[in-house]
Amino acid sequence: EPEVTQTPSHQVTQMGQEVILRCVPISNHLYFYWYRQILGQKVEFLVSFYNNEISEKSEIFDDQFSVERPDGSNFTLKIRSTKLEDSAMYFCASTGSGGDEQFFGPGTRLTVL
Amino acid sequence: QKEVEQNSGPLSVPEGAIASLNCTYSDRGSQSFFWYRQYSGKSPELIMFIYSNGDKEDGRFTAQLNKASQYVSLLIRDSQPSDSATYLCAVNKDTGNQFYFGTGTSLTVIP
Repeated sequence: EPEVTQTPSHQVTQMGQEVILRCVPISNHLYFYWYRQILGQKVEFLVSFYNNEISEKSEIFDDQFSVERPDGSNFTLKIRSTKLEDSAMYFCASTGSGGDEQFFGPGTRLTVL
Repeated sequence: QKEVEQNSGPLSVPEGAIASLNCTYSDRGSQSFFWYRQYSGKSPELIMFIYSNGDKEDGRFTAQLNKASQYVSLLIRDSQPSDSATYLCAVNKDTGNQFYFGTGTSLTVIP
């Protein structure tokens, strides 16, 4: 069964460092998303991406964040200068052309020290 | 006003009972409604989705939607200990738009 994959599973970084989180969405999907979930809190939308551009972004997705689809399979989230409050689980998700069933990857746990 | 609201629980039911989970949403323009299950430390897993008013059944799960009341529910019949998890309600306004998630309801099924 097709699935969304994410790497790494856990990333530890120092405050102020740049991190890149990687995702491989399901191959025939068209819409890609990044969410984050701070421990014990709800899943929060960061950004959606369609047709090689951002289609929607939240207030959380400020100038320190960027997304890219560098090739036909990978979808990345870059955080330029990490802050302590960026520590969270980051989930990538994708949906097909119908835009209904959204499937999540296993997540990357980001720890900022 | 929160987009999606859920009772955080915890909700405890005995094994074999029906678990009822509820969700309300604020935006009448919402088009699609989803229930996800999330085990601790894991990613959300889609259980089912519903678009139209009424009931939709899938195995032991039934989703109910009432757009006039802006209310979505999930019934789990014959609850099993493996159903113990946090259940997330999510709504979507349009294809490709963000999914708004509730805070989730923690369910414990007692053997």
